[in-house]
Amino acid sequence: QVQLVESGGGLVKPGGSLRLSCAASGFTFSDYYMSWIRQAPGKGLEWVSYISSSGSTIYYADSVKGRFTISRDNAKNSLYLQMNSLRAEDTAVYYCARNDYGDFFDYWGQGTLVTVSS
Amino acid sequence: QSVLTQPPSVSGAPGQRVTISCTGSSSNIGAGYDVHWYQQLPGTAPKLLIYGNSNRPSGVPDRFSGSKSGTSASLAITGLQAEDEADYYCQSYDSSLSVYWVFGGGTKLTVL
Repeated sequence: QVQLVESGGGLVKPGGSLRLSCAASGFTFSDYYMSWIRQAPGKGLEWVSYISSSGSTIYYADSVKGRFTISRDNAKNSLYLQMNSLRAEDTAVYYCARNDYGDFFDYWGQGTLVTVSS
Repeated sequence: QSVLTQPPSVSGAPGQRVTISCTGSSSNIGAGYDVHWYQQLPGTAPKLLIYGNSNRPSGVPDRFSGSKSGTSASLAITGLQAEDEADYYCQSYDSSLSVYWVFGGGTKLTVL
């Protein structure tokens, strides 16, 4: 069965950095587009970043452009999100999700909490 | 503010039918992009409920149905059950500058 397991969240000071990982299993990872989606405490869902199956096409939400970098390692069935210059408003649960047909998100991980606070 | 607009809350008694609306614009739903729906039970990750406007993934009961017309879409839940109490989100794609996958603000469904 499809499984996505995020890790790497935690408490970081404003201006700091964090790298999230997402381990995929149960499907051919290299065949699928992937995205990161976040949810601030008590708030709705916000798409953060997308990467194509080969990694050649990448998109970011304006709110994170220039600060976050998405990447993937198809040999390791893993997705990553490097987050730099973190701000308080980046505090959220970060989900990795499989982006079926680049259209909808058919499988989600359990999420990892990132807290940006001094 | 979310690109797609949903009512903050809806409620219904067990067995009743409720609908949740999702209103977009000419750059997303009105441009012909499909609408998808997710259910988020308390303390859990979102789960795909409806894709491609009206299609149910395997395992989703046929009590859940979706439709789309013009710049709006709707999720209908019939035969309401206590376990349906959750947050529901619509999602589409937006062709505006620097906006891609967009979500509604979410609707909290309370089963009375």
